[in-house]
Order: sequence, then structure tokens, then C-alpha cells
Amino acid sequence: KAGVTQTPRYLIKTRGQQVTLSCSPISGHRSVSWYQQTPGQGLQFLFEYFSETQRNKGNFPGRFSGRQFSNSRSEMNVSTLELGDSALYLCASSIGQGRSYEQYFGPGTRLTVT
Amino acid sequence: AQSVTQPDIHITVSEGASLELRCNYSYGATPYLFWYVQSPGQGLQLLLKYFSGDTLVQGIKGFEAEFKRSQSSFNLRKPSVHWSDAAEYFCAVGGDNDMRFGAGTRLTVKP
Repeated sequence: KAGVTQTPRYLIKTRGQQVTLSCSPISGHRSVSWYQQTPGQGLQFLFEYFSETQRNKGNFPGRFSGRQFSNSRSEMNVSTLELGDSALYLCASSIGQGRSYEQYFGPGTRLTVT
Repeated sequence: AQSVTQPDIHITVSEGASLELRCNYSYGATPYLFWYVQSPGQGLQLLLKYFSGDTLVQGIKGFEAEFKRSQSSFNLRKPSVHWSDAAEYFCAVGGDNDMRFGAGTRLTVKP
């Protein structure tokens, strides 16, 4: 079974631009969660989608948004990029929603904002 | 809200030596606890998890962890470390709405 895939793997953007990251979950998984990983803040939860609905959201500004499609693929969008948005963005999928379900992580998208 | 503390930022052990990585959590209800490993440039891989039952949990790659409710701890152990175990290790607690991760412990393995 293929793992979680994220595209692109690397991205360089300029301040003020917007960016869209994509995540394809493991086949059969209906929940997708997004995390931001930085050296200073560590791993922080962004949001979780299940059955095309955002179920939970972390403490991030409205510039961070996402969506999930009917095939469970998910996209994350960051508008008006800031230097502090430079990070590794990780996507994780699980069969169901909630803390009891095991999450499988993708390799991440490395975003650099200049 | 739940939180996780990993007191050790960096640990160095010799190959073949035993390993213990510490994790303390704070959560009001029954915790769902996880240990993940991350190699450079990679995503996170689940090593093991604790939901309920036996407090000693076996995971992949020879790792185990023990849940101690009285100490709010979930320490990760391995009896004999291999060079390939060098990586960053994250403890996490699954809360009501999200997963909270510790800051991570970087493991260096000396030959």
C-alpha cells in the first residue's frame, strides 16, 4: 500500500505570495491532518479534515486554510506569506477521526520564504 | 489542554548501549500516548502507542515504552542501540481535538 505523498517536496516563495501544498493520504484513510514543524516552535497542529469537513483547528492565523476533496486528498493554502512561515509542513492521514487513530506521516513539504 | 515535555534535547549513547528517552505529559483524562521517530529530511514514523491495558508497550525496531500514570511519564527504551537509531524522537499525546508533540530528543550514536 502506498504511503502518504506530499507535493511539492521543496518550494521557495517570496514574502507576500501565496502557496498551495498538496497531500494524498493512504488509500482508505479519510482523515488528514496538517502540521507545521520549525526549529523554534517544534511540531504544531494546523488542522484536521475528515469527510471533507474541517474538524479541528490549531492556533494559527486565518492566512492558513485548507480543504479536503471527496477522494480524501487535501490541500493547504497559505496566503500573504511571511518569513516566519518557512517550515516543514507535514501531512498525516488516518483511517478515522480522533486521537485514538494512528497517524501516518508523509515526508513533508519544505517551504522557504525569502 | 494537554502538553508534553521531553526534558532531554540531545542524548549521545554508544552503539550497543541501552537507551532511555524521557517523556512527561499533562492531560486531564486518559491519555493516548505515542512515540514517533524522524530521520533527517523525512516525515515521522510511529514507533509505538499506548491507549489502555498493559502499561508496557512493545513497538517496532526493538523499542518499548512504559506508561506510569503516577509519574505522568511514558519513557521510551531500547536495550541495545544500533547506529541506524540515530534520529530525532518525539513523544506525543492525543487530546480532545489535536495531537500535541514534545520538542523532541535528538539521539546521536557513537561507534
